[in-house]
Amino acid sequence: AQSVTQLDSQVPVFEEAPVELRCNYSSSVSVYLFWYVQYPNQGLQLLLKYLSGSTLVKGINGFEAEFNKSQTSFHLRKPSVHISDTAEYFCAVILEGAQKLVFGQGTRLTINP
Amino acid sequence: EAGVAQSPRYKIIEKRQSVAFWCNPISGHATLYWYQQILGQGPKLLIQFQNNGVVDDSQLPKDRFSAERLKGVDSTLKIQPAKLEDSAVYLCASSVYSTPTYEQYFGPGTRLTVT
Repeated sequence: AQSVTQLDSQVPVFEEAPVELRCNYSSSVSVYLFWYVQYPNQGLQLLLKYLSGSTLVKGINGFEAEFNKSQTSFHLRKPSVHISDTAEYFCAVILEGAQKLVFGQGTRLTINP
Repeated sequence: EAGVAQSPRYKIIEKRQSVAFWCNPISGHATLYWYQQILGQGPKLLIQFQNNGVVDDSQLPKDRFSAERLKGVDSTLKIQPAKLEDSAVYLCASSVYSTPTYEQYFGPGTRLTVT
């Protein structure tokens, strides 16, 4: 069975510092990978996705992620965070041929001034 | 473009009572999803509709949960009777197509507390 692991439940960083949110998946077949963001009291919003092609994917709000097949990872990065990036971030995966998203447990990003 | 609408936003009920949640997807979106998000976990798919037909309900506890999407637009998710472990946020999402690689647009969710 496929699974998604987000290695950190909470990540505190200072404003304007870089951040990396880690995501690993377990699958021996091709996968599609996603990062969603959930701001307080709002629904989830797609940040970026990897379907094929370049392993470096750029998303909204200055975020990017890199697909690493050998390490089965899809870590999310931003070079300089803002207070407005405070939110919960979810990594999700779809197995090739499958029909549904499977989400990780989420990482709460807290930005300190 | 209006987003996915859900109501109510919050609901508190006692165990063994029944409850219903409503979702109105983005206009023109054929696919509708209901997810359950328990505190500290990621969303889990309960049921997926394509127009008014069910595509996947493998994780829906059918002894107490039911969902319908009459006329292929609005949808209702019902729990009867509720248990303490049903306390969660229930998210509705919609998508243009059923292929899950297409972006899903999420509503704000309904937070259910069962006491």
